[in-house]
Amino acid sequence: SAVISQKPSRDICQRGTSLTIQCQVDSQVTMMFWYRQQPGQSLTLIATANQGSEATYESGFVIDKFPISRPNLTFSTLTVSNMSPEDSSIYLCSVGGELEDPYGYTFGSGTRLTVV
Amino acid sequence: QKEVEQDPGPLSVPEGAIVSLNCTYSNSAFQYFMWYRQYSRKGPELLMYTYSSGNKEDGRFTAQVDKSSKYISLFIRDSQPSDSATYLCAMRAGGNNRLAFGKGNQVVVIP
Repeated sequence: SAVISQKPSRDICQRGTSLTIQCQVDSQVTMMFWYRQQPGQSLTLIATANQGSEATYESGFVIDKFPISRPNLTFSTLTVSNMSPEDSSIYLCSVGGELEDPYGYTFGSGTRLTVV
Repeated sequence: QKEVEQDPGPLSVPEGAIVSLNCTYSNSAFQYFMWYRQYSRKGPELLMYTYSSGNKEDGRFTAQVDKSSKYISLFIRDSQPSDSATYLCAMRAGGNNRLAFGKGNQVVVIP
């Protein structure tokens, strides 16, 4: 299975600023996913990023707030823009969901974000 | 109604006990069912998976799916302190790669 390197692992940011989270995969993958994990809540999908196309955002998430880049088949970034304390959460990237391996999802270690 | 319901209450058990976790779901299109284990400050890792209804056993772990009741379970036998983690159920439909997760159960196995 793919190995994902996600960074930063944690950060403390001032409100109103932006943070870009990076995920590097050790193999080429078609789809990458970005999730938010808040305390006591399930992992919530923010968007799906395919290389060469615009990311697809889930209900409640917008591109202006969470712009995503997917420049190639091994890399993606998620930016949390104009942060407020409500954005404090763990953000995770994931790969998988390929047709030939419907269970093969791998997750990064997460970015623990605190907005003050 | 949420797609996947998992009572997020923490669970504390003595070493050697059986741990029983479960999720219910509302989307009848779900076909692929998974359990993830997440240690503190780590990403989720796939623990067990089943397709449609039935049971699957792997060592001390058993996963069950009852599609008629829209109910899935995970059992951990002879629990060990190393099993202390958060367990999340997840599922997806056949033609959709989007995973739906439960809230997770924090399990603590006391030596």
